[in-house]
Amino acid sequence: DVKVTQSSRYLVKRTGEKVFLECVQDMDHENMFWYRQDPGLGLRLIYFSYDVKMKEKGDIPEGYSVSREKKERFSLILESASTNQTSMYLCASSLLPSANYGYTFGSGTRLTVV
Amino acid sequence: DQQVKQNSPSLSVQEGRISILNCDYTNSMFDYFLWYKKYPAEGPTFLISISSIKDKNEDGRFTVFLNKSAKHLSLHIVPSQPGDSAVYFCAAPGYGKLTFGQGTILTVHP
Repeated sequence: DVKVTQSSRYLVKRTGEKVFLECVQDMDHENMFWYRQDPGLGLRLIYFSYDVKMKEKGDIPEGYSVSREKKERFSLILESASTNQTSMYLCASSLLPSANYGYTFGSGTRLTVV
Repeated sequence: DQQVKQNSPSLSVQEGRISILNCDYTNSMFDYFLWYKKYPAEGPTFLISISSIKDKNEDGRFTVFLNKSAKHLSLHIVPSQPGDSAVYFCAAPGYGKLTFGQGTILTVHP
């Protein structure tokens, strides 16, 4: 089974801190994604990547950046955390370019910014 | 611009009855749809999908119906079980990424 591992289940950070959320997948998938989940808003795409060192903005990239130095690892960076970035963050990966085959998600990181 | 919409934030049903979760979309280019299920503190997991060449796909207790002319799909769960209580998301792929709806919280009462 494909495994997508997010390094932290829960994080509490202070406003203004730089925050790193790490995601690792173990099945050599080309494509990786970062979403955030908020009540009433569903899953919204922040950034995605089709290859090493490649990144594409999703629907809500403001306040975030990403890094993909190795194929298996995709990091989400909050440059200066704000309270409106308190959310559940979900990383996903997929084997094929087409999303028809769906994603495998990690268990999520619940981030609270105080 | 919400291209995939789930207009019912929550649904409550009795165990053994049918659960019907609805999803609407606006982009006529979508030709494939997926449903995901999410428990608290876990990532979403794939449940069932349907291609636009079909109007129905069934997998055990789960059936998805697609009405292309109405740009509407629905997920039927029969019979509903307490373990089905979760958030359900519909999603559509396009440009190599999935666009998700807002989700519907399903609660199945024993």
